[in-house]
Amino acid sequence: SQTIHQWPATLVQPVGSPLSLECTVEGTSNPNLYWYRQAAGRGLQLLFYSVGIGQISSEVPQNLSASRPQDRQFILSSKKLLLSDSGFYLCAWSVLRARRNTEAFFGQGTRLTVV
Amino acid sequence: SQQGEEDPQALSIQEGENATMNCSYKTSINNLQWYRQNSGRGLVHLILIRSNEREKHSGRLRVTLDTSKKSSSLLITASRAADTASYFCATANQAGTALIFGKGTTLSVSS
Repeated sequence: SQTIHQWPATLVQPVGSPLSLECTVEGTSNPNLYWYRQAAGRGLQLLFYSVGIGQISSEVPQNLSASRPQDRQFILSSKKLLLSDSGFYLCAWSVLRARRNTEAFFGQGTRLTVV
Repeated sequence: SQQGEEDPQALSIQEGENATMNCSYKTSINNLQWYRQNSGRGLVHLILIRSNEREKHSGRLRVTLDTSKKSSSLLITASRAADTASYFCATANQAGTALIFGKGTTLSVSS
């Protein structure tokens, strides 16, 4: 069965510090991978998605970057965190069938607080 | 950019009542999906309805889709306190490569 691991669950980081959030998927190959951010009480904002190793699409210009060094590994990074980077970060995966999106599976999220 | 928009933003009902949430979207779709999120957790997929379907059922969930109005509704019948959560609709971006979510409806079911 497929599983998705996202860690850490919570993180408190000072302004200006670096960030690395990791997400790994098991039980499937060549998934589409996504990073979303959710502000308190708000909807999900798509940050990055990847359709293959080394292929990253950015949806919103920002202080963050993403990388996909392996097929089932997706990393969200920042060199210097801003207060506005605080939020709930969610990793997800899905597959395309007949060029159509199927259901997405989400990790449990990382609550990032920048202080 | 936001593709789907749910309304109402918040809904409070009593156990046993039905809850209806609506979603409107802007562009043509292949399918529309509904997700649930318990507080502080990841999203869980509930149901997918294809663009050529008008209605779909799953347990106490009923989803309708009206492509002419670019809208969908999620009905939860005989609600329970455990249904308390946020509910989101999602459709694919224009490239068909990622899901775009609405802002969600927060449902509170009191016993």
